[in-house]
Amino acid sequence: EAGVTQFPSHSVIEKGQTVTLRCDPISGHDNLYWYRRVMGKEIKFLLHFVKESKQDESGMPNNRFLAERTGGTYSTLKVQPAELEDSGVYFCASSQDPFTEGALGYGYTFGSGTRLTVV
Amino acid sequence: AQSVSQHNHHVILSEAASLELGCNYSYGGTVNLFWYVQYPGQHLQLLLKYFSGDPLVKGIKGFEAEFIKSKFSFNLRKPSVQWSDTAEYFCAAHPGFQKLVFGTGTRLLVSP
Repeated sequence: EAGVTQFPSHSVIEKGQTVTLRCDPISGHDNLYWYRRVMGKEIKFLLHFVKESKQDESGMPNNRFLAERTGGTYSTLKVQPAELEDSGVYFCASSQDPFTEGALGYGYTFGSGTRLTVV
Repeated sequence: AQSVSQHNHHVILSEAASLELGCNYSYGGTVNLFWYVQYPGQHLQLLLKYFSGDPLVKGIKGFEAEFIKSKFSFNLRKPSVQWSDTAEYFCAAHPGFQKLVFGTGTRLLVSP
């Protein structure tokens, strides 16, 4: 079973540029989450999709961040324009049901993250 | 605000030493608790979880954690660490709605 895939693994961009991060969840997982870890801080929730709908976007820092999940499959997170404080590691996770152990695996499965550096 | 606190940011141990990483959470109601590990260059992996029942939870790779409700704690333990346990460890809480709340993480370095 393929895991959660994130692309790119690393991105270095200049302040003011645009970056798009992509997450491919495990096939069959309706729930998709984005988290971010700023250097030295805790991993913080950004938003949660259920299929193509945004269930909870309370963690999105500001309107420079736009997340989409076309057709309920992969998701993109666009930062436009990027600022220095956006640097960090962006994690994606997917789950079928985080409270159920089943054939698709337990709880959340995380990707390896995208390390974004804004210079 | 709801939060998870990890007291140790960096821990250095020699192989075979015992490990205990502290974790406290601030929720008063029902809460599910997790420990995740991130090995260098890899994704976050679930070490163990607590939902209910026996407060002493055993996870993968010889790790265990004890849920102490009165102390709002969920400390991670391993009797004898190995060099391969070098990683970053995250405590997380799931207070009933569908998002995890993480602690700041603890970097563990095990020297051979």
